[in-house]
Amino acid sequence: NAGVTQTPKFQVLKTGQSMTLQCAQDMNHNSMYWYRQDPGMGLRLIYYSASEGTTDKGEVPNGYNVSRLNKREFSLRLESAAPSQTSVYFCASKRLALLADTQYFGPGTRLTVL
Amino acid sequence: AQKVTQAQTEISVVEKEDVTLDCVYETRDTTYYLFWYKQPPSGELVFLIRRNSFDEQNEISGRYSWNFQKSTSSFNFTITASQVVDSAVYFCALSEAGSGGSQGNLIFGKGTKLSVKP
Repeated sequence: NAGVTQTPKFQVLKTGQSMTLQCAQDMNHNSMYWYRQDPGMGLRLIYYSASEGTTDKGEVPNGYNVSRLNKREFSLRLESAAPSQTSVYFCASKRLALLADTQYFGPGTRLTVL
Repeated sequence: AQKVTQAQTEISVVEKEDVTLDCVYETRDTTYYLFWYKQPPSGELVFLIRRNSFDEQNEISGRYSWNFQKSTSSFNFTITASQVVDSAVYFCALSEAGSGGSQGNLIFGKGTKLSVKP
């Protein structure tokens, strides 16, 4: 099992460009998450999908959109990239949206917006 | 409001020293879960441990041990006889009670960067 995979690993954009970050999991998990990690800020939740067919905003959703394409895939879209979106983006998944379940993370995407 | 505080931003030790990483949390819930993750220099996030609010027994796994104390709202992580490979950023996280789909969302501390020098 590959676990959680993310593409691309690195990306450089110019201000105003758009792009989609892809995430897929092969663990048959129901819940999926997108985080951003900035220096000194820890991980902050952007959007999550508790189950296929649902998506909800997290702590920092502005400037992003998501699509839960199917049970395996959860994509994050930047419509018009801004330098403030320079960050490392992590996707995570877990079996169910329950207190006890553990989130497992992908390897991350390092995004630079010039 | 729920919150996780890791007051130590960076710690530097020499190999074979013991080191404790502090984690203090705030929550009004009686049922909750706490987690520790490790982020080595390669960047991925690795799950280390999960502990529920009803189990205050200390956990030991090899050189790693965790001390959970509800009285002080702390879930501290100790590495015994540290090694260079322990160099990483360590995150403590609290599972959010929430409702519906947000149940179990994680609230992360800002992390502690541990450097172990040879």
